[in-house]
Amino acid sequence: SYELTQPLSVSVALGQTARITCGGNNIGSKNVHWYQQKPGQAPVLVIYRDSNRPSGIPERFSGSNSGNTATLTISRAQAGDEADYYCQVWDSSTAVFGGGTKLTVL
Amino acid sequence: EVQLVESGGGLVQPGGSLRLSCAASGFTFSSYAMSWVRQAPGKGLEWVSAISGSGGSTYYADSVKGRFTISRDNSKNTLYLQMNSLRAEDTAVYYCAKYSSGDYFEDWFDPWGQGTLVTVSS
Repeated sequence: SYELTQPLSVSVALGQTARITCGGNNIGSKNVHWYQQKPGQAPVLVIYRDSNRPSGIPERFSGSNSGNTATLTISRAQAGDEADYYCQVWDSSTAVFGGGTKLTVL
Repeated sequence: EVQLVESGGGLVQPGGSLRLSCAASGFTFSSYAMSWVRQAPGKGLEWVSAISGSGGSTYYADSVKGRFTISRDNSKNTLYLQMNSLRAEDTAVYYCAKYSSGDYFEDWFDPWGQGTLVTVSS
């Protein structure tokens, strides 16, 4: 079965840039979606199809996908960006989520 | 506004059954595939099952195949998850989620409901 690998945690200084990676075999050939989840809340879509932002998501959020790694980039990180982030793909008739990355804004 | 409201969670003994419901509003329900995703306490997201807009196509995670059944009633705008032979490891918050566009399963989930907690314990 297909696996997605994310770092358990990423830390970023307030106002700096955070990068969260999602590794998978030839993930560049797949559509990658990213979700943000704050404590006690349902996940919220922040990036779809590798690099597209839904309406209402700040331009500070961006994504890329190539080779074996997809990346979610959060520029000018704010305290409100502290959350768990999950990548997701569809493979062999199943949806697959990465293990999640906890983003801490220092 | 699209709304998804889950119900039916609760405490059930190992080996027992439970049926979850997800009431949808704000969109043409029958035109969109739907999915269930769960999250065990303190753990990450785990996809459970998906169903096409007509209900004619269904997909399951290996962990629930043969025990869970996804279905929908398009006349009632409601998604269901029938869970049988429940195990302690099925304890989780269960979210229903709408696929973004029709029956294209490679697309994303948006939005999600607020979830319903299922606890499997004696």
